[in-house]
Amino acid sequence: NAGVMQNPRHLVRRRGQEARLRCSPMKGHSHVYWYRQLPEEGLKFMVYLQKENIIDESGMPKERFSAEFPKEGPSILRIQQVVRGDSAAYFCASSPQDSSVTGELFFGEGSRLTVL
Amino acid sequence: AQTVTQSQPEMSVQEAETVTLSCTYDTSESNYYLFWYKQPPSRQMILVIRQEAYKQQNATENRFSVNFQKAAKSFSLKISDSQLGDTAMYFCAFMLDSGGGADGLTFGKGTHLIIQP
Repeated sequence: NAGVMQNPRHLVRRRGQEARLRCSPMKGHSHVYWYRQLPEEGLKFMVYLQKENIIDESGMPKERFSAEFPKEGPSILRIQQVVRGDSAAYFCASSPQDSSVTGELFFGEGSRLTVL
Repeated sequence: AQTVTQSQPEMSVQEAETVTLSCTYDTSESNYYLFWYKQPPSRQMILVIRQEAYKQQNATENRFSVNFQKAAKSFSLKISDSQLGDTAMYFCAFMLDSGGGADGLTFGKGTHLIIQP
């Protein structure tokens, strides 16, 4: 049973380019979360999605960032016109539909974005 | 809004010793979960232990146990018989129990634990 799969593991972009990070949740999980980790910091919540719905995007920057979780395929975190401050590790986590019972999220290994 | 505070940026102990990592949090809610996550050099986030706020009994997982003081809003992690593989960043995290689904985790800034041989 594969865990949460994120790709790419490492991504290098120049300022102004677009970055797309993908996340396939664990089998049977319908909830996806994206977190950002800056150096020497804990993870910061960005967005919470269910299939075809954004439930909570209170942690997402208002501009350049977007996320989706389509009916088919992985969740995608998209960063347009990247800047150096976007350099970070981006983690995806998933939970089953009844996550309120366990309260547990399952994390992927993260995607490290470096903006030159 | 919830906040999580870890006041120890770094700790170092000898192998086989017992170490306690501190965590305090602030919330006005009564139903929530608390977690300790481990992030080794591989950077993957691994759940160490979980505590439901409505449970008075402290959670235990093998060498890992917590001291949960709800009134004091304190949630410390004790690692007994520490091993070299315990070297990692440890993050304390808080999650509201919204009843309709998890609302996401709020993390502390982490404690870098180093186990010396």
